[in-house]
Amino acid sequence: QQQVKQSPQSLIVQKGGISIINCAYENTAFDYFPWYQQFPGKGPALLIAIRPDVSEKKEGRFTISFNKSAKQFSLHIMDSQPGDSATYFCAASNNNNNDMRFGAGTRLTVKP
Amino acid sequence: KAGVTQTPRYLIKTRGQQVTLSCSPISGHRSVSWYQQTPGQGLQFLFEYFSETQRNKGNFPGRFSGRQFSNSRSEMNVSTLELGDSALYLCASSLGGTNTEAFFGQGTRLTVV
Repeated sequence: QQQVKQSPQSLIVQKGGISIINCAYENTAFDYFPWYQQFPGKGPALLIAIRPDVSEKKEGRFTISFNKSAKQFSLHIMDSQPGDSATYFCAASNNNNNDMRFGAGTRLTVKP
Repeated sequence: KAGVTQTPRYLIKTRGQQVTLSCSPISGHRSVSWYQQTPGQGLQFLFEYFSETQRNKGNFPGRFSGRQFSNSRSEMNVSTLELGDSALYLCASSLGGTNTEAFFGQGTRLTVV
């Protein structure tokens, strides 16, 4: 069932560094690619999302890079902070179908 | 603006019992999706309701069912509970239509003993 592959499974970054999480998808019908951040005991929170008509989207310290031909997209967290320590999920869905497929998640730890 | 509300937050049930979980979406949102989250399987799509109709269904057995009311609130029911049903059940709401931006509730932690 997994249609979105996410890596790495875990990531440790020093404060101020860049965190990079990668995802690859299979279904070319996907046209909406969000990233979610989840803290323990909480539901996932929408962080940033992109549609395939653009190759990059930036919101503050968070940037999504999207490569349609390679069917890959990635999340870059610039100037990573300890408060960014959480589990990050990429996802993909079809505009006409709210069946969202999630990656397995990346546990990010930012060391002070 | 209130977020997505799920009740109860925690639930302990015995094998063979049934359970009903509730989700109140963000005001104005007409689409409600349900997900099961477990350490081993991650986030898996259960089903999605829009305007009281089930539009999509994931690959789960018929013991998992749901419904949506005219006020967009949704319930999920699991019958004949199994130990493997222990999970965090999350619902997400969105406007629906072509806007798929989904917002999650905090989830209901179900433990089956």
